Amino acid sequence: NAGVMQNPRHLVRRRGQEARLRCSPMKGHSHVYWYRQLPEEGLKFMVYLQKENIIDESGMPKERFSAEFPKEGPSILRIQQVVRGDSAAYFCASSPWTSGRAYNEQFFGPGTRLTVL
Amino acid sequence: DAKTTQPNSMESNEEEPVHLPCNHSTISGTDYIHWYRQLPSQGPEYVIHGLTSNVNNRMASLAIAEDRKSSTLILHRATLRDAAVYYCILSEFSGGYNKLIFGAGTRLAVHP
Repeated sequence: NAGVMQNPRHLVRRRGQEARLRCSPMKGHSHVYWYRQLPEEGLKFMVYLQKENIIDESGMPKERFSAEFPKEGPSILRIQQVVRGDSAAYFCASSPWTSGRAYNEQFFGPGTRLTVL
Repeated sequence: DAKTTQPNSMESNEEEPVHLPCNHSTISGTDYIHWYRQLPSQGPEYVIHGLTSNVNNRMASLAIAEDRKSSTLILHRATLRDAAVYYCILSEFSGGYNKLIFGAGTRLAVHP
């Protein structure tokens, strides 16, 4: 059973370019979360999605950032017109459908390390 | 979400027990206590969670104070692979998920 997969693992972009980060959740998981980790800091929650729906985007910057989790295919975190301050590790996590459960463990991927030159 | 307080760093010797403390004096009745850890250059990994009672699993034990204002993650026999940043997180289960708010965590060093 493959874990959460993220690609690319490393991404280099120049200022002003777009970055697309992909996350394939674990098989059977319908919930996806994105987190950002700046150097030497803890993870910051960005967004929580279920298939075709954004449930909680309270941690997403208001501009340039967007996320989607389509019916088919991976979840995408898109950063437009990247700036140096976007350089960070971006982690995706997934969890299963929670019907009947009182707790939902999150399984994290290995992350995408974005470097903006 | 309620905040937690953890020591910045701790050290242990291999094969000795490790007790990682966490204070959460403003915890609410519906907050779960979660522990995740992050090994170098990897994504976080679930360790254990609890609500009111002490919990044991194959990785660790979680001891929760009777008033729930503090908890302790116990690694029974530390190995070199346990060197990581350990995060103590509070969140309630609402809307079908636990919203995890990570703090700075405790960086655990394990010496051979």
